[in-house]
Amino acid sequence: KAGVTQTPRYLIKTRGQQVTLSCSPISGHRSVSWYQQTPGQGLQFLFEYFSETQRNKGNFPGRFSGRQFSNSRSEMNVSTLELGDSALYLCASSQLTTGAGELFFGEGSRLTVL
Amino acid sequence: AQSVTQLGSHVSVSEGALVLLRCNYSSSVPPYLFWYVQYPNQGLQLLLKYTTGATLVKGINGFEAEFKKSETSFHLTKPSAHMSDAAEYFCAVSDNNAGNMLTFGGGTRLMVKP
Repeated sequence: KAGVTQTPRYLIKTRGQQVTLSCSPISGHRSVSWYQQTPGQGLQFLFEYFSETQRNKGNFPGRFSGRQFSNSRSEMNVSTLELGDSALYLCASSQLTTGAGELFFGEGSRLTVL
Repeated sequence: AQSVTQLGSHVSVSEGALVLLRCNYSSSVPPYLFWYVQYPNQGLQLLLKYTTGATLVKGINGFEAEFKKSETSFHLTKPSAHMSDAAEYFCAVSDNNAGNMLTFGGGTRLMVKP
């Protein structure tokens, strides 16, 4: 069974640009969550999608957005990039939506903003 | 609001020694508690979780953790450290009504000396 796949793995952008990151969950998983990991702030929840609907949203500005498609694949977008957006963005999928289930993480997309 | 505190951002042990990684949480509702491990350049992998029932939970790779409600703690232990245990460990809590929105601690980097 294939794991969670995130693309691209690495990317470099400049301030003001926008970026789209993609996540393919494990087959059969309908919940997809996104997390931002930085040395200073650690792991922070961005948002969760289930059946194409956003279930939860973390405390991030509106520049951060996401969506989920009917096949459960998810994308997140960051517009008007700032230097502080440099981070590892992790996607996780789960069979459960109750909070009790295991999250399966991808290897992440490492974004560098210059 | 939930929060997680991991005491000690770096812990160093000798191979064969006891591993003890500390985690304290705050939650207004009975929490679900998790320990995840992250190896360099990889995503997170679940070590173990507590949802309900037995307060001593066993996980993969010989790790275990005990949920102590009175102390609001969920410390991770392993009787004998192995070189392969060197990684970063994250304690996390979720609200059983909040889906898959995890709040993570700041992480503890475990170093194992030969």
